[in-house]
Amino acid sequence: KAGVTQTPRYLIKTRGQQVTLSCSPISGHRSVSWYQQTPGQGLQFLFEYFSETQRNKGNFPGRFSGRQFSNSRSEMNVSTLELGDSALYLCASSLPGGYGYTFGSGTRLTVV
Amino acid sequence: GESVGLHLPTLSVQEGDNSIINCAYSNSASDYFIWYKQESGKGPQFIIDIRSNMDKRQGQRVTVLLNKTVKHLSLQIAATQPGDSAVYFCAENLNNYGGSQGNLIFGKGTKLSVKP
Repeated sequence: KAGVTQTPRYLIKTRGQQVTLSCSPISGHRSVSWYQQTPGQGLQFLFEYFSETQRNKGNFPGRFSGRQFSNSRSEMNVSTLELGDSALYLCASSLPGGYGYTFGSGTRLTVV
Repeated sequence: GESVGLHLPTLSVQEGDNSIINCAYSNSASDYFIWYKQESGKGPQFIIDIRSNMDKRQGQRVTVLLNKTVKHLSLQIAATQPGDSAVYFCAENLNNYGGSQGNLIFGKGTKLSVKP
């Protein structure tokens, strides 16, 4: 059974650019959530999607956005990148109710 | 505020000893808790979970204890092995029974170091 797949694994971008990250959930999982992990702030919730609808959103600026497709795959986008956006971005998928919450290996984004 | 915090940022144990990692949470509405293990370069790996209607749950070499009175969660690892060395996070989920709050609130993490 395949796990949560995130692409790409590593990314280097320049300030002011935008970036799109991709996440394929475990088969049968319809809920996909995104988190940002930094040494200073730890793991912070970005947003959650279920059935192509954003159901929950964390405290991040509007530059961070996401979407979910009909096959439950999800993308997140960060526009006008800042140095502080450098982080490990993690995607997690789960069954209804949050059970089986499983993370991918993440995308390491470096903004220079 | 509503947050999950860990009492010890680092824990060093001898191989074969038992490890206890602690976590405090502040939101009494949280009804689902998960422990994760994160190794360098990897995403958090699910270890064990517990619902708020339980006080204790056991897995293979791991036990999670939940004390709702003092809002405390602990992870016990029996016969700790070098492969257990990692950062451990506790996470809480709000209103899970109500149907699908997708966001977890994570603690800052405890680094477990196992000495051979």
